[in-house]
Amino acid sequence: DQQVKQNSPSLSVQEGRISILNCDYTNSMFDYFLWYKKYPAEGPTFLISISSIKDKNEDGRFTVFLNKSAKHLSLHIVPSQPGDSAVYFCAASGGGADGLTFGKGTHLIIQP
Amino acid sequence: ETGVTQSPTHLIKTRGQQVTLRCSSQSGHNTVSWYQQALGQGPQFIFQYYREEENGRGNFPPRFSGLQFPNYSSELNVNALELDDSALYLCASSLDFGHGLGGTGELFFGEGSRLTVL
Repeated sequence: DQQVKQNSPSLSVQEGRISILNCDYTNSMFDYFLWYKKYPAEGPTFLISISSIKDKNEDGRFTVFLNKSAKHLSLHIVPSQPGDSAVYFCAASGGGADGLTFGKGTHLIIQP
Repeated sequence: ETGVTQSPTHLIKTRGQQVTLRCSSQSGHNTVSWYQQALGQGPQFIFQYYREEENGRGNFPPRFSGLQFPNYSSELNVNALELDDSALYLCASSLDFGHGLGGTGELFFGEGSRLTVL
């Protein structure tokens, strides 16, 4: 039973436009959410996070939105750049030592 | 670059064998966790070590075991290898575990060890 779901395996966006990656979760005990970016042959790298007490967190071109009632979060990248082409993982945590629960990832492709 | 290094990068084993994977944490980090990433899946939490003690475990059988050393480096051992153990094994270090204890929850991952079981 997947507790974190990324329903779009891939997404293609034109350079300069907005990329929106979506993530849904089912476990109401999750209270901290993170996005990781992964290039081929590299480990995932942290991108941005949000606590459940907030509904938005912004860092440069990256903004994460959290809708707790819908158990939904999204990552917005604007403007999209060629270097943004990667696999993006949504992850969630309930605190403590239970580790992160990851989605399956969305492969973002930025078209020139 | 995260400062987390893993070895070996690739290895091939046969079913029933045992394997040890190694990880050197980022300087100053006292927590290490291991994840298994099967093809087409997201990383799945195996276990976590904090100051040399296992303090969290995912849904993995006991044949997956680990160690954390005083210098915070770590090992993942897998006994009686099965074909389904073929995956990328990721080590991640952090300063303190979980965001609820003052940590950010951010993990710093190594590049992984690709294990193929034949």
